Amino acid sequence: QKEVEQNSGPLSVPEGAIASLNCTYSDRGSQSFFWYRQYSGKSPELIMFIYSNGDKEDGRFTAQLNKASQYVSLLIRDSQPSDSATYLCAVGTGNQFYFGTGTSLTVIP
Amino acid sequence: SAVISQKPSRDICQRGTSLTIQCQVDSQVTMMFWYRQQPGQSLTLIATANQGSEATYESGFVIDKFPISRPNLTFSTLTVSNMSPEDSSIYLCSLRIVETQYFGPGTRLLVL
Repeated sequence: QKEVEQNSGPLSVPEGAIASLNCTYSDRGSQSFFWYRQYSGKSPELIMFIYSNGDKEDGRFTAQLNKASQYVSLLIRDSQPSDSATYLCAVGTGNQFYFGTGTSLTVIP
Repeated sequence: SAVISQKPSRDICQRGTSLTIQCQVDSQVTMMFWYRQQPGQSLTLIATANQGSEATYESGFVIDKFPISRPNLTFSTLTVSNMSPEDSSIYLCSLRIVETQYFGPGTRLLVL
């Protein structure tokens, strides 16, 4: 079983819609959770991190964490074509970082 | 965060040769990391480089193939030795600040 799992997509949403990206993890001891955005040919860029159960909002982005279900998600409101990228979920467990394989998002104008 | 730069940004190499990738950080950091991202794949940790000690390699990666130097707190190199087409990948330098991982711009390597 992989440490971090994401649907590879592709996920397509129309401009202005809400994009919902999901991630599950296997280690209940994981403490920190991150979402990275990676444009084609570029390196991953940190979007958000969350440590506690519940929601964390930053502009158009909301991260949601449910430790009981071992589930973390990223919502992107008012999706823009510039949001089209691959989104990587990462989980910190002790000194280790585990990355999912990423979900490809396309926002259609 | 910190500013991380890598050289070269990309290269095309012949089978059997070696390439050394440089990573420079604008602040002193204890631990630096080297990742690989193969086409269509996620990030795989190659090794952790601590200043003043031998690098710690992850399962499947060995020092003879990926020697690492860490001469000071702002600089590291990764060498990809005796390259084969399977080494074609993006190589990323990374560091951790307050439990968050940050990445350099990457080196895109194509081995023919």
